Amino acid sequence: GQSLEQPSEVTAVEGAIVQINCTYQTSGFYGLSWYQQHDGGAPTFLSYNALDGLEETGRFSSFLSRSDSYGYLLLQELQMKDSASYFCAVGKGSTLGRLYFGRGTQLTVWP
Amino acid sequence: GAVVSQHPSWVICKSGTSVKIECRSLDFQATTMFWYRQFPKQSLMLMATSNEGSKATYEQGVEKDKFLINHASLTLSTLTVTSAHPEDSSFYICSARGPYGANVLTFGAGSRLTVL
Repeated sequence: GQSLEQPSEVTAVEGAIVQINCTYQTSGFYGLSWYQQHDGGAPTFLSYNALDGLEETGRFSSFLSRSDSYGYLLLQELQMKDSASYFCAVGKGSTLGRLYFGRGTQLTVWP
Repeated sequence: GAVVSQHPSWVICKSGTSVKIECRSLDFQATTMFWYRQFPKQSLMLMATSNEGSKATYEQGVEKDKFLINHASLTLSTLTVTSAHPEDSSFYICSARGPYGANVLTFGAGSRLTVL
């Protein structure tokens, strides 16, 4: 089976940097993904890591260490609109897109 | 950008009735779609994988006779909640694999079902 651990809540101020950690246990590793979801909205894709290292996309970066079963999402230059839930997810098998999601981290950005 | 449309966005029904939720990929073809369920302030739970032209693959613990999935075309998957009961009340979200890569899911906006 799979299990994922991520903090339930994180708060920060505008302009700050926030790191959301995710540790996972899975039988067979098929990549670590991150999704953002605003209240009542559709989750949107942020990043995907299959190999160790850092992936950078604008203000957001994601890191993976397969040996530590650990990853994180780094959000820089925080903006109010970044207030949302952030989910890490691992593949549930070789079928791409079949994901097991963590419980999500609620990020609140204060002015 | 790619759009996945869900309809209806919210529905209220009486206990014992059936409800159909549609999921359409508007500007790309999706041979594979996924249905998730989300309780308030909680995670997304994968219910099933919907494959165009073949039977859906259900996750462990999901009743296939309760949640009927049909994927009759490359742009449409439907989820029918049969004989709905209050415990089926939830937020149902579909997603499609693509078009930005097989590792990227494009999600619909979800359908909130309330069973009275």
